[in-house]
Amino acid sequence: EAQVTQNPRYLITVTGKKLTVTCSQNMNHEYMSWYRQDPGLGLRQIYYSMNVEVTDKGDVPEGYKVSRKEKRNFPLILESPSPNQTSLYFCASSSPGVSRGTEAFFGQGTRLTVV
Amino acid sequence: SQQGEEDPQALSIQEGENATMNCSYKTSINNLQWYRQNSGRGLVHLILIRSNEREKHSGRLRVTLDTSKKSSSLLITASRAADTASYFCATDSSNTGKLIFGQGTTLQVKP
Repeated sequence: EAQVTQNPRYLITVTGKKLTVTCSQNMNHEYMSWYRQDPGLGLRQIYYSMNVEVTDKGDVPEGYKVSRKEKRNFPLILESPSPNQTSLYFCASSSPGVSRGTEAFFGQGTRLTVV
Repeated sequence: SQQGEEDPQALSIQEGENATMNCSYKTSINNLQWYRQNSGRGLVHLILIRSNEREKHSGRLRVTLDTSKKSSSLLITASRAADTASYFCATDSSNTGKLIFGQGTTLQVKP
């Protein structure tokens, strides 16, 4: 089954304690991205990757890091989480192309609370 | 940056009625997509319409695109309680994979 898998689904952590949210896709997609979703602000892109070893900042990258060592995995790293990073996070993947468009597949989300 | 603006922000209808949601955007696009999100869950792709298309159908969904007005609409016909969800439009301007999402319309369908 084609899917994007995020872990964990729920996480409560304390300010400053480094954490990693994993994301894996089984569709051989080139493009992967992370979004955060906050009430009234919709989905905002944090970081994206167009292929292995190619990552770039999205619209709200401050306080986050990513890596893309393998095509299937795209972890999101919060080196020193702060309460303003409390949010619902989504990983997404797609295979861009003129003929295929860019339908994105989303993970089920990670609800992060930083206290 | 948020390109899409959706209207209305919230919509409540009775089962069997039609629901129409609108999306406006600012820059030229390659395609526009609609997604559905059940409460707190991941987004699910519904339909994609390319910039050279004006209308597209998928089951009870009908999407229109007016590039001259930079707007799109999603019509759900004969709505069901199970259609209760948030609906987002997303625009692709670069064919690189980057999507810019609107803030969504929350639809409630009452049984």
